[in-house]
Amino acid sequence: AQSVTQLGSHVSVSEGALVLLRCNYSSSVPPYLFWYVQYPNQGLQLLLKYTSAATLVKGINGFEAEFKKSETSFHLTKPSAHMSDAAEYFCAVSAGRGGADGLTFGKGTHLIIQP
Amino acid sequence: GAVVSQHPSRVICKSGTSVKIECRSLDFQATTMFWYRQFPKQSLMLMATSNEGSKATYEQGVEKDKFLINHASLTLSTLTVTSAHPEDSSFYICSAPSLSEQYFGPGTRLTVT
Repeated sequence: AQSVTQLGSHVSVSEGALVLLRCNYSSSVPPYLFWYVQYPNQGLQLLLKYTSAATLVKGINGFEAEFKKSETSFHLTKPSAHMSDAAEYFCAVSAGRGGADGLTFGKGTHLIIQP
Repeated sequence: GAVVSQHPSRVICKSGTSVKIECRSLDFQATTMFWYRQFPKQSLMLMATSNEGSKATYEQGVEKDKFLINHASLTLSTLTVTSAHPEDSSFYICSAPSLSEQYFGPGTRLTVT
């Protein structure tokens, strides 16, 4: 079984500041980890994924995440926040088949960008 | 990348009626599709796995007689909410895997009055 914990239901940063969204996971097998972004009333868009290759994963829109097995973490960062980054972010884990299984999602973090 | 569509995007129905939601993979085949439910300001919860040519697999606590899933072809899965009640109002999202990645549909907003 696997689970995901996202610390902070809301994160507020100033435009241009560093974005850090935290995600910790538990999994009984080597995990596949994902970050998705969701805009209001829309589906999910994949930002990036970790599938046991490089531990530092670069995604779209300037986001990246680092897989740290010792900390069971997969935190999402972006060096400089933009107003368009305001959205809901979900961390998710899949236990098998390279991410082809159903995903277990964290509760989400609402990112607020202050002008 | 691969595209998954859902229809309708929004539906309002009266309590006691049934509603069908379609999920299509537009440019790839999917022997498996997934159905999720998202309550307002909450996370997505996996409801069931739709399997082409066989019965769906439901997550614990999901009523299979209420949420009927049919995976009629390699590009289409349907979710029918039977005898809908206001507590079934939610955002329903499907996904389909392709090359180790999940592609999500845009979701269907169901409101039961």
